[in-house]
Amino acid sequence: DAGVTQSPTHLIKTRGQHVTLRCSPISGHKSVSWYQQVLGQGPQFIFQYYEKEERGRGNFPDRFSARQFPNYSSELNVNALLLGDSALYLCASSLRQAGGIDEQFFGPGTRLTVL
Amino acid sequence: GDSVTQMEGPVTLSEEAFLTINCTYTATGYPSLFWYVQYPGEGLQLLLKATKADDKGSNKGFEATYRKETTSFHLEKGSVQVSDSAVYFCALSDRTNFGNEKLTFGTGTRLTIIP
Repeated sequence: DAGVTQSPTHLIKTRGQHVTLRCSPISGHKSVSWYQQVLGQGPQFIFQYYEKEERGRGNFPDRFSARQFPNYSSELNVNALLLGDSALYLCASSLRQAGGIDEQFFGPGTRLTVL
Repeated sequence: GDSVTQMEGPVTLSEEAFLTINCTYTATGYPSLFWYVQYPGEGLQLLLKATKADDKGSNKGFEATYRKETTSFHLEKGSVQVSDSAVYFCALSDRTNFGNEKLTFGTGTRLTIIP
């Protein structure tokens, strides 16, 4: 079975531009979360979506937005890019079973460089 | 808010040495605790987890025990191998409005094993 897939793998943008990152969860997984990992740091939570609704939001500005589609894939959008947005953007999916602890499965990430 | 503090790296050990990577946490409730590993050029992989006090998570020779009294979740391995070289992240789960999905990560510890 395919794992979590993300596209593109790498992306170079300039300040002020807009970017869209895409994520396809593992088949059957209905929850998708996005994380930002700045070089040398741990991932920071950006959003969680479940059943196409936002279920959690981290401490990120409104320039960051996301959505989940009927097939449970997801897009992360970042407007008015800043140099500080350069990072590895990770997508994770989980089953969201009732009760218990869901393991989150991470994709390989999209490396965004803002010049 | 929730936070995770882990041992500063990098850590360099000889093959077959004993490994300890310290991790302590701050949380308002009763979080679940995780260790993730990130190999070069790859996404995060769950290494082990523990969901309540005194639980011991284990996988691939690695172990960590959930110590509520010391708010710690130290990672240990009795005999490391070159293939264990990676970045290790301690993390806790924070119950969002709809389940345990948000992960709060430490800054990561880079481990290098020398043959």
